[in-house]
Amino acid sequence: EDQVTQSPEALRLQEGESSSLNCSYTVSGLRGLFWYRQDPGKGPEFLFTLYSAGEEKEKERLKATLTKKESFLHITAPKPEDSATYLCAVQTKTSNTGKLIFGQGTTLQVKP
Amino acid sequence: EADIYQTPRYLVIGTGKKITLECSQTMGHDKMYWYQQDPGMELHLIHYSYGVNSTEKGDLSSESTVSRIRTEHFPLTLESARPSHTSQYLCASSGDRGQDTQYFGPGTRLTVL
Repeated sequence: EDQVTQSPEALRLQEGESSSLNCSYTVSGLRGLFWYRQDPGKGPEFLFTLYSAGEEKEKERLKATLTKKESFLHITAPKPEDSATYLCAVQTKTSNTGKLIFGQGTTLQVKP
Repeated sequence: EADIYQTPRYLVIGTGKKITLECSQTMGHDKMYWYQQDPGMELHLIHYSYGVNSTEKGDLSSESTVSRIRTEHFPLTLESARPSHTSQYLCASSGDRGQDTQYFGPGTRLTVL
């Protein structure tokens, strides 16, 4: 069964304290792995798509990496405005719907 | 910047009422999706569409129905709302030709009393 697991469930950081969020996946064949940011009461906001092991993408203080079993979202010198829930999702090669399989998310709180 | 809209943003209704949640996108995307998200839980696909007059049910069983008469419009309807339908409903769309990224609307928070 295709599955996505994110850890930790919650993370508290001080402003400027770098850290990483983990997304482990078990799928029959990975087509793409997606990272989203979701603020309370809002829809997910697209951050990155990764397609193959070894791929990396960056945007401001965020950097996403991908291996054959997991993805990391590295947050460098976070600011309070980075506080949100970060969602990881996968799309499989066997799916004919293009659906995304989501993890439960990591809720990040950055304190000033 | 994704242009996908959902109305209403919040809806509180009584049991037994018929409701329609609206979703529209201006990006010309062929594929559209409805996900359901309970607080603190992951998103689950309940409906999807490849294009006009094409709709299918997702993995999560839902008593809702959808229609796709126009490319830009993908409404979701509940004929008789129940408290178990209380949830956040998120609409998304994606383009063809390898553009797999799904862009989400702001969501509708539905509460059925």
